[in-house]
Amino acid sequence: GQNIDQPTEMTATEGAIVQINCTYQTSGFNGLFWYQQHAGEAPTFLSYNVLDGLEEKGRFSSFLSRSKGYSYLLLKELQMKDSASYLCAAHSGGATNKLIFGTGTLLAVQP
Amino acid sequence: EAQVTQNPRYLITVTGKKLTVTCSQNMNHEYMSWYRQDPGLGLRQIYYSMNVEVTDKGDVPEGYKVSRKEKRNFPLILESPSPNQTSLYFCASSSTPGTDTQYFGPGTRLTVL
Repeated sequence: GQNIDQPTEMTATEGAIVQINCTYQTSGFNGLFWYQQHAGEAPTFLSYNVLDGLEEKGRFSSFLSRSKGYSYLLLKELQMKDSASYLCAAHSGGATNKLIFGTGTLLAVQP
Repeated sequence: EAQVTQNPRYLITVTGKKLTVTCSQNMNHEYMSWYRQDPGLGLRQIYYSMNVEVTDKGDVPEGYKVSRKEKRNFPLILESPSPNQTSLYFCASSSTPGTDTQYFGPGTRLTVL
């Protein structure tokens, strides 16, 4: 079957670091996307990992382990505006460009 | 400005009254897709299109139709809406099928009474 798991909710403090985990099981796998979605808005692209390892992009970093079916999104120096849902999406193989989304992790950043 | 647009943004309708949600992109993207988003279920793909006149079912196609007569437009049609189609709908596009990032439209919040 195809399954994406991520925590439903997380809370963190402004200025801190938070790690949002995602595990996946898919038939065919090209890579792993992370999207940010503020309430009532469209998802916006954060990162796409194809190879194992950590990719850093400013305050956000994303990690992938293909052998373990595991990814995480690391947010540093948290700001209030980082309060949002973070969606993990596995990109399945083939030419269909199919994304299989997790249900999202709602992150609340507190002062 | 590169963007995906959807109309309407908000719609309240009644059961059985046919409706169309339009989607248009100005990035010359080949691939377009429709998703619905429901609490606790995440984003689920309804239909996708690899190119003009090429469409295929996603994970939850029942009750929906699409067409792709032009590259830029990908309307979603609900022939006979039902209350279980009350949801937040997103259109998305990317330049090619494959590894490209999908760009999402602003969303259409549909309520079927």
